[in-house]
Amino acid sequence: AQTVTQSQPEMSVQEAETVTLSCTYDTSESDYYLFWYKQPPSRQMILVIRQEAYKQQNATENRFSVNFQKAAKSFSLKISDSQLGDAAMYFCAYRSGGGNEKLTFGTGTRLTIIP
Amino acid sequence: DVKVTQSSRYLVKRTGEKVFLECVQDMDHENMFWYRQDPGLGLRLIYFSYDVKMKEKGDIPEGYSVSREKKERFSLILESASTNQTSMYLCASTKPTGVGTDTQYFGPGTRLTVL
Repeated sequence: AQTVTQSQPEMSVQEAETVTLSCTYDTSESDYYLFWYKQPPSRQMILVIRQEAYKQQNATENRFSVNFQKAAKSFSLKISDSQLGDAAMYFCAYRSGGGNEKLTFGTGTRLTIIP
Repeated sequence: DVKVTQSSRYLVKRTGEKVFLECVQDMDHENMFWYRQDPGLGLRLIYFSYDVKMKEKGDIPEGYSVSREKKERFSLILESASTNQTSMYLCASTKPTGVGTDTQYFGPGTRLTVL
């Protein structure tokens, strides 16, 4: 079974600075997908960014980018120019490349933005 | 915009009660999921459904059942609630495209307390 590990339960960053959230996963599969989801306080979980394992190029979405290291099974999220609205729980998730739609989530990292 | 709604934001029940948590999505999604979210444990999949009347067990199905009589509605049932089922319950839905990076759209969550 696949596992996803987020080793930083809490992180904080000064507004406008850059922060990196770490995620590692364990799998024997070669075909899979990785995601970062954001859960703001008292608000719905939303997708931040996603990455196909077969793509070497790291995904980017505006201020959000990933550092995908397939050999190391690492999938970190970099947030540039941090804003107050980035304060949230961030979850890393793994999905197998087969037909199964199931996501396996990490335990989450709570990000605090310091004004 | 995809909308996933859950019947209650907060619910308080007594041990032994039968509890129904309802989830409705308005975007004709085939797949629907129930997770529970606990601090330090992240999100864990309880059950999912990929079509009407179809269901599959997730990672922690014990003590729960589900019902999907209509495509837009997916219910989670606690047959006899226990205190260890006190948790945040999240519903999600997605439309499989075969691409693999399908976004799961989440509801706002139901915080269930069992006394």
